[in-house]
Order: sequence, then structure tokens, then C-alpha cells
Amino acid sequence: QSVLTQSPSASGTPGQRVTISCSGSSSNIGSNYVYWYQQFPGTAPKVLIYKDSQRPSGVSDRISGSKSGTSASLAISGLRSEDEADYYCTTWDDSLSGVVFGGGTKLTVL
Amino acid sequence: QVQLQESGPGLVKPSETLSLICTVSGYSITNYYWSWIRQSPAKGLEWIGWIYYSGRTSYHPSLKSRVSISIDTSKNQFSLILNSVTTADTAVYYCARDWGVTGRPGYIDVWGKGITVTVSS
Repeated sequence: QSVLTQSPSASGTPGQRVTISCSGSSSNIGSNYVYWYQQFPGTAPKVLIYKDSQRPSGVSDRISGSKSGTSASLAISGLRSEDEADYYCTTWDDSLSGVVFGGGTKLTVL
Repeated sequence: QVQLQESGPGLVKPSETLSLICTVSGYSITNYYWSWIRQSPAKGLEWIGWIYYSGRTSYHPSLKSRVSISIDTSKNQFSLILNSVTTADTAVYYCARDWGVTGRPGYIDVWGKGITVTVSS
């Protein structure tokens, strides 16, 4: 059971906009920055979003992040087949004094 | 181009010690924070801990009693020691570079390829 809650799966058709959510609490998302990672099978994760909504250079502007209260979201617009991957949210938890991850959302492009 | 490479045994016996080294190339280790993260089907992604080049460390509370991370700036390497391993420690272990935004881990921009460590007799 992960501290951050993500839906196990999400799907969309090419061109659609898909949103992946991450739910936490006041001790984690509510008071710390959220980061989002994309992972393909057999490879290391890659950062997509840092500090809630900032995109590192090189990350597509189809990717965006937002946060409200104790929940965060990752949105992918203009969905493409190459977006099919696992997506994870992560942040610091003040009560735990450690990093927590979501369980991951597997995105399928239909 | 910064590259990280994990090395160490792929098989460890229960109750013994897991020891991994991360070699950093293309960048001096005397900046940023350097992390260990693991991933298993059972537990997903799990942050183990990190170290700053000065030697300051922070560990996940659930592993704190068994883990130690050290750094060797002369070799541009950092290491992970995990004591008294069980089958629950079987995972892919990644080393990574973390920016330490606001002094907390989370923003990792470079990862190693990962090394699979199996705990089994």
C-alpha cells in the first residue's frame, strides 16, 4: 500500500488528453513539491515534472503538472503511442521523514 | 555527459550484507546529492537514502537501522551497504543524481541503468 494513491491504469486514444492523478495528505503533497516520472519496461525512470509544474528542458510541452491541496495531476495532451508507459508521482513526507512514491499508473494508448 | 553505473554482486544470501558501488563519470561528485533507489514488483519504487559530497546522509526510516551510504570523492564513487538482507530486499537497485531542491530529495535528473539483486540461499 503506497502512501501516495494513483489509479493503477489509464488509457486514451491518439490525440486525446489524459490526466493521471496522485492523492496524498497534508504531510506530503500538501506541504512539499511533487515530482513526476515516466518509466518504460526495463529502463530507469525519467523525470517529467519537478516542483509541481516545472518541465525540465527536453521534456515535451504536451506534458504538464499541477497541484491543488493534497492532490497532484499529470496531464498529457495530444496523446501518442510512445507515451505508453508507467507514470509515478513522488514527494517528501514530513511525518515519515522520507521520500514516498505512488504505486504507479500504467498508461495505455488504444 | 553524466553517466552512473552500478556494480556489485547480483546474488546475496539471506542475513548477509548487500554491497553496491555507483561510479560516476562525466561529472565531479563534489556537488549535488547522490541517491539510491530500488524497485520491486511487491513494493514498487522505494527511496533508500542519499548522501551529499560532504558526507551528510539521510535514509528512509524503514531501512535506517540496516543501511549505510558512503562517498569516495577521490574515486568519484558512492556506495550502498544494506545489512541483514531478506528476500524482501530482492529488487532492481538504482543509483541516481538528485538536485536536492529545497534540501529535500525528489528531483532526479540522472539515473544508472540499475542492477538486479536477488536475495536467495
